[in-house]
Amino acid sequence: GQQLNQSPQSMFIQEGEDVSMNCTSSSIFNTWLWYKQDPGEGPVLLIALYKAGELTSNGRLTAQFGITRKDSFLNISASIPSDVGIYFCAGGVNTGFQKLVFGTGTRLLVSP
Amino acid sequence: GAGVSQSPSNKVTEKGKDVELRCDPISGHTALYWYRQRLGQGLEFLIYFQGNSAPDKSGLPSDRFSAERTGESVSTLTIQRTQQEDSAVYLCASSLGRAETQYFGPGTRLLVL
Repeated sequence: GQQLNQSPQSMFIQEGEDVSMNCTSSSIFNTWLWYKQDPGEGPVLLIALYKAGELTSNGRLTAQFGITRKDSFLNISASIPSDVGIYFCAGGVNTGFQKLVFGTGTRLLVSP
Repeated sequence: GAGVSQSPSNKVTEKGKDVELRCDPISGHTALYWYRQRLGQGLEFLIYFQGNSAPDKSGLPSDRFSAERTGESVSTLTIQRTQQEDSAVYLCASSLGRAETQYFGPGTRLLVL
């Protein structure tokens, strides 16, 4: 099935550093979502974006819905060890329901 | 409150056998989704249920895959004549309504030998 282009594929950083990851698509989406997945768990929603150009923060997380509606980025500031996990972007199209297309994931490792 | 639960947590089967995976959505959630996540990949949409409406099956990869849901409760995903390429984590999600936030279960890890 279709997957979005997400980069970087993985990151290994020091605690306290800022992190940035992004997602691009050839298709337009009505919604952009960012999820975090811990090992053995399902994804958990971090931030939801509903309008082109929207910039939203959730604690140390900031995400933006690209103006073209074909891209989004997620920033994590002052990373901590519990930020470790896999981060997925997802584009949503409302075709009678919120049909999500997921990115390939960014694996984040944080060194204390 | 209780989240989405799935069973079994892990399933190992032989090629050619049928498997049945179960999802218990959050109580009161009318929408239910199944996704497949292959190793190192993102989630792929499989099927969507909303109340008593006909499901959207557009993501099912072949006719070996089917799913049922009884009203607004439990759903089962069945894979017939399993193949090695069916090995993946199968995730279920539910939401309050058709455009609401999806909450995911922990998944069933399927390994086809």
